[in-house]
Amino acid sequence: KAGVTQTPRYLIKTRGQQVTLSCSPISGHRSVSWYQQTPGQGLQFLFEYFSETQRNKGNFPGRFSGRQFSNSRSEMNVSTLELGDSALYLCASRPLEGGETQYFGPGTRLLVL
Amino acid sequence: AQSVTQLDSHVSVSEGTPVLLRCNYSSSYSPSLFWYVQHPNKGLQLLLKYTSAATLVKGINGFEAEFKKSETSFHLTKPSAHMSDAAEYFCVVSGRYNFNKFYFGSGTKLNVKP
Repeated sequence: KAGVTQTPRYLIKTRGQQVTLSCSPISGHRSVSWYQQTPGQGLQFLFEYFSETQRNKGNFPGRFSGRQFSNSRSEMNVSTLELGDSALYLCASRPLEGGETQYFGPGTRLLVL
Repeated sequence: AQSVTQLDSHVSVSEGTPVLLRCNYSSSYSPSLFWYVQHPNKGLQLLLKYTSAATLVKGINGFEAEFKKSETSFHLTKPSAHMSDAAEYFCVVSGRYNFNKFYFGSGTKLNVKP
């Protein structure tokens, strides 16, 4: 099976702009989670979607939002970008049942200038 | 509540010597435990996982980890380090029910000297 794919791989934006990142899960995986990784804060959970519904949410401001489509693909949007949003954004997918392994994509590297 | 503590932020070993990366967890119920590896500018790759079967878990690339409930530990080991093992390693704890969150440790950077 193909792995988790994320597009684009690299992005450069300026403060105040918005950005949309895309994630395609492994075929058959219905849950998609998003994480932000920075040198200072490490890996932080953003949210998880299943069946087009947000199931879990981390402690991020409302500028961070997401959605999931009927084919399980997910998008994450960040509005009014700040310098501190520069990070590696990782997407992970897993089947539904609890305790299942998450499989990660290669990430999208976002640089905010 | 669940949490993970990786006891070393950096570990340095010589090629061919054993590797030990330490992880302690806290969980109010029987957890699932994972080790992931991240090479520079890459995503996370699963090394191994524990989900209540054998307490000694073997993973890829010669890594293994032992679940010790009495010590609430899940340390990662490898008998002989290889240069390609240089990376950052994350210990992760999760519950076993639908939509349980993954809780990541802060990571351990492994340096392998020639």
